[in-house]
Amino acid sequence: NAGVTQTPKFQVLKTGQSMTLQCAQDMNHEYMSWYRQDPGMGLRLIHYSVGAGITDQGEVPNGYNVSRSTTEDFPLRLLSAAPSQTSVYFCASSSLAGGNNEQFFGPGTRLTVL
Amino acid sequence: EDKVVQSPLSLVVHEGDTVTLNCSYEVTNFRSLLWYKQEKKAPTFLFMLTSSGIEKKSGRLSSILDKKELFSILNITATQTGDSAVYLCAVEEYGNKLVFGAGTILRVKS
Repeated sequence: NAGVTQTPKFQVLKTGQSMTLQCAQDMNHEYMSWYRQDPGMGLRLIHYSVGAGITDQGEVPNGYNVSRSTTEDFPLRLLSAAPSQTSVYFCASSSLAGGNNEQFFGPGTRLTVL
Repeated sequence: EDKVVQSPLSLVVHEGDTVTLNCSYEVTNFRSLLWYKQEKKAPTFLFMLTSSGIEKKSGRLSSILDKKELFSILNITATQTGDSAVYLCAVEEYGNKLVFGAGTILRVKS
């Protein structure tokens, strides 16, 4: 099992550029989510999904889009990058069964927007 | 607004010391409280707590939840330099959503 994988590890964008952060998991988890982590602010939920075809907004969704066409993949799209989106992005997944919500995190993507 | 507050924000201790990290929360639809350790990379899971007063233990780490007073503590005994990390507290709301605190930065000096 690879667990949760994210690509790329690092990315530098110019203001206004678009890009997609990739996230995949091979644990057949129903729940997937995206967080951003900024200094002194912990992790904040951007978007989440409880299954293929179902997505919803978290705490800080503005400027980001997601889709969930398969159980395995949950890409995060930045349509027009802004310097305020400079952050470290983590994808996570967990099972909705069994009552144990241990969320498994990917290694993160460090994004800088100039 | 749901919030999770951790204290202290940071602390420095010497190897062998015992530390207590605090987490208080105000969340509408509480389901569980989780502790994570983060060492310059992805957070790794430590504990999940759902019931008051039941201590969870793993080696030198232990944690307990008080659902009446809305807080949890994480204890680390006989600290080692490898315990240096950011410790994150998160509260799970129904729907698997996690609300994180800002974290406590722990540095253990040899």
